[in-house]
Amino acid sequence: TQLLEQSPQFLSIQEGENLTVYCNSSSVFSSLQWYRQEPGEGPVLLVTVVTGGEVKKLKRLTFQFGDARKDSSLHITAAQPGDTGLYLCAGGGGGSNYKLTFGKGTLLTVNP
Amino acid sequence: GAGVSQTPSNKVTEKGKYVELRCDPISGHTALYWYRQSLGQGPEFLIYFQGTGAADDSGLPNDRFFAVRPEGSVSTLKIQRTERGDSAVYLCASSLDVNTEAFFGQGTRLTVV
Repeated sequence: TQLLEQSPQFLSIQEGENLTVYCNSSSVFSSLQWYRQEPGEGPVLLVTVVTGGEVKKLKRLTFQFGDARKDSSLHITAAQPGDTGLYLCAGGGGGSNYKLTFGKGTLLTVNP
Repeated sequence: GAGVSQTPSNKVTEKGKYVELRCDPISGHTALYWYRQSLGQGPEFLIYFQGTGAADDSGLPNDRFFAVRPEGSVSTLKIQRTERGDSAVYLCASSLDVNTEAFFGQGTRLTVV
């Protein structure tokens, strides 16, 4: 069974601070996706990374896929209250959405 | 509608009862997925449909769970003889095909009392 461990589980910071959350596994994934989920809603896809060492930027969010495709990180610069939510990583095969394996998530709270 | 729609939003049922959860995918999406998210956990895969057929139902926890998609659009997840451990948010997602972005619905929160 492939498992994804996310850390930290909870993170509470002040507006304007930077933060990094991590997603680690002992297994190799063909691709990794990051989602944000708000209370009462389904997860919303932020990014998909497929190549070892790949870095993708989405405004203030920077995503990195580890060289060995076993780990990933999400860095947020100058966090804003609107960034509050549950950040989930999910591993799949070859960019496919089929049978994704999700981590437990990092619950981020950005205080004004 | 523009997105994936799930009904009902909330369902409270008594232990032992039968429930049906409905998912209306985005029009034209051939792939449909059901996931279950327990409190404090990430979503867990249940079943994947490609068109009308269940391409992989290996995530269904036991034979009390069954899902159908008879016309390749709307899907229904059926749970017989519900147990308290079935309480969770049941999420549905759809995508144009299995290799494109999946869009999730808001989920159905099932509570078995």
